[in-house]
Amino acid sequence: QVQLLESGPGLVKPSETLSLTCTVSGGSISSYYWSWIRQPAGKGPEWIGRMYSSGDTNYNPFLKSRVTMSLDTAKNQFSLKLKSVTAADTAVYYCARTYWGSFDIWGQGTVVTVSS
Amino acid sequence: DIQMTQSPSTLSASVGDRVTITCRASQNISNWLAWYQQRPGKAPKLLMYKASSLESGVPSRFSGSGSGTEFTLTISSLQPDDFATYYCHQYNNDAYTFGQGTRLEIK
Repeated sequence: QVQLLESGPGLVKPSETLSLTCTVSGGSISSYYWSWIRQPAGKGPEWIGRMYSSGDTNYNPFLKSRVTMSLDTAKNQFSLKLKSVTAADTAVYYCARTYWGSFDIWGQGTVVTVSS
Repeated sequence: DIQMTQSPSTLSASVGDRVTITCRASQNISNWLAWYQQRPGKAPKLLMYKASSLESGVPSRFSGSGSGTEFTLTISSLQPDDFATYYCHQYNNDAYTFGQGTRLEIK
């Protein structure tokens, strides 16, 4: 079955760029939307953005100025870049398959801490 | 953006109880609503989509209803595995939002 796995640095310095990759296994990245979602400790999830396999993107309006998503179909991966991070960006970051809007398959999540 | 408000924030119940969680949207979202269950340290798990459609593999004691701005998730007979946090999520437009969560705890 389809599985997702997030990877990337667990610690990012303030003002720098957070970069994460999600590797999709057990299925193709084509013909689906793929999302990034984050969850600060003790809070509800926050959707960051989604990307279709064609490259079309939609971003959370509150994060749009800092977010870039990209996709590598050859590697079956999609990526997130969030620039100019602050402590408020500290969270568990999840990637998820987006099927008709709902998130039906999630990665296990990766903790990202913003600190000097 | 569309605000999602869940109630209650915390719900205490016993095994075998029937419980209902409510989610209200700040504007009409038709039936573009999903429910998730999250256990500590784990990713959320999809339970319901399109307000009332049960995700494959999810026990039939879970059910969802509603449309427009008011929605409910009902668990007909609580099992020990069901004590977790539940989130609603709207996907009516291209700016998805979640509720703040309902923590279901053992009475």
